[in-house]
Amino acid sequence: EIVLTQSPGTLSLSPGERATLSCRASQSVSSSYLAWYQQKPGQAPRLVIYGASSRATGIPDRFSGSGSGTDFTLTISRLEPEDFAVYYCQQYGSSPQYTFGQGTKLEIK
Amino acid sequence: QVQLVQSGAEVKKPGASVKVSCKASGYIFTSYYIHWVRQAPGQGLEWMGMINPSGGSTDYAQKFQGRVTMTRDKSTSTLYMDLSSLRSEDTAVYYCARDQLLSFDLWGQGTLVTVSS
Repeated sequence: EIVLTQSPGTLSLSPGERATLSCRASQSVSSSYLAWYQQKPGQAPRLVIYGASSRATGIPDRFSGSGSGTDFTLTISRLEPEDFAVYYCQQYGSSPQYTFGQGTKLEIK
Repeated sequence: QVQLVQSGAEVKKPGASVKVSCKASGYIFTSYYIHWVRQAPGQGLEWMGMINPSGGSTDYAQKFQGRVTMTRDKSTSTLYMDLSSLRSEDTAVYYCARDQLLSFDLWGQGTLVTVSS
């Protein structure tokens, strides 16, 4: 089973700053199969990025995804107040098997 | 509009079973696989399995094999997740989610299942 490790666990930034969130896989992951989600308290997760770098419908262009192999990154270029949330990466593997990272909490500094 | 609407919260005793429903609307029911994902209080997301609404075939995470059953009713565009032999560790919010290119693009609102004696 592929394990996804996200870092940092918590990221404290101010609105307007740039956020860089990391997701590292224990084995190589196809870029087509890596996604990112945003979850706010009391809400269901929301798809942000799929295929490692494609923005989901309605996601503003300040969100971008990159990476390949075992290292993937979600970048938010200029933080807006509504961006503060928990972010999860997710991958698809054979079997089938879907796994999530443990999450990064993006909080207001 | 395009949505997944889940059934309400449940409280169950250890050893019992729970059946959560997920009604799809606004899109072609048989065109998208549906997954079930759960989230224990204060914890991360855990994939449980998936169902093909067209033919009804399923794939379950190994952890839940033998305890989970996913079904669908094409006449009402409703999916079901049945989890048996409940224990306190199964207390969680259970989500249904639609598959798009091996990610989950549409989520239900979640159903809280509490297992307590």
